[in-house]
Amino acid sequence: NAGVMQNPRHLVRRRGQEARLRCSPMKGHSHVYWYRQLPEEGLKFMVYLQKENIIDESGMPKERFSAEFPKEGPSILRIQQVVRGDSAAYFCASSNANTEAFFGQGTRLTVV
Amino acid sequence: AQRVTQPEKLLSVFKGAPVELKCNYSYSGSPELFWYVQYSRQRLQLLLRHISRESIKGFTADLNKGETSFHLKKPFAQEEDSAMYYCALSPFGNTGTASKLTFGTGTRLQVTL
Repeated sequence: NAGVMQNPRHLVRRRGQEARLRCSPMKGHSHVYWYRQLPEEGLKFMVYLQKENIIDESGMPKERFSAEFPKEGPSILRIQQVVRGDSAAYFCASSNANTEAFFGQGTRLTVV
Repeated sequence: AQRVTQPEKLLSVFKGAPVELKCNYSYSGSPELFWYVQYSRQRLQLLLRHISRESIKGFTADLNKGETSFHLKKPFAQEEDSAMYYCALSPFGNTGTASKLTFGTGTRLQVTL
């Protein structure tokens, strides 16, 4: 079991472009969580998804950010029209209900 | 609103010395508290959670509701303990251990010879 896989590990985008971050959960896990870590800050919860459903998106910015976890394939965190303030490390975690969550290695997004 | 505070960005100790990584929290309800660790070039991983009352790799943490603290302790530090440590909080009974975790800013533990 390769664990939670995130790609790309590093992503550079110019202001105004779109960023797509992918997360493949551990085999057998149906819950996915996205967190963002800004420089010098702790990880902050963004969104919690189960297959084809958004369960809790209370931490997602209201505009430009969206997330999905389709029936087949990885979970995608999409950031449209990126700005410099979106530069951060984005972490994905997966679990089953009430079990330990496992984190991916993160995607470091740099907006230039 | 929930908040987790880790006052030290860096804690440097000698091998064999006791370690205490501080964590204070604020939350109006019943929290679940966790410690996560990130070794160099590795993923963030769960070290321990207060409800399990385990000792993992010699580390323990006791939830003190009166002082709203969940300090991580180890009597004798080892070189391999050098890592980034994050304290985290979740509303009690929240589905899944990663659901709506609130993390502190982390403390880097450096164990030197």
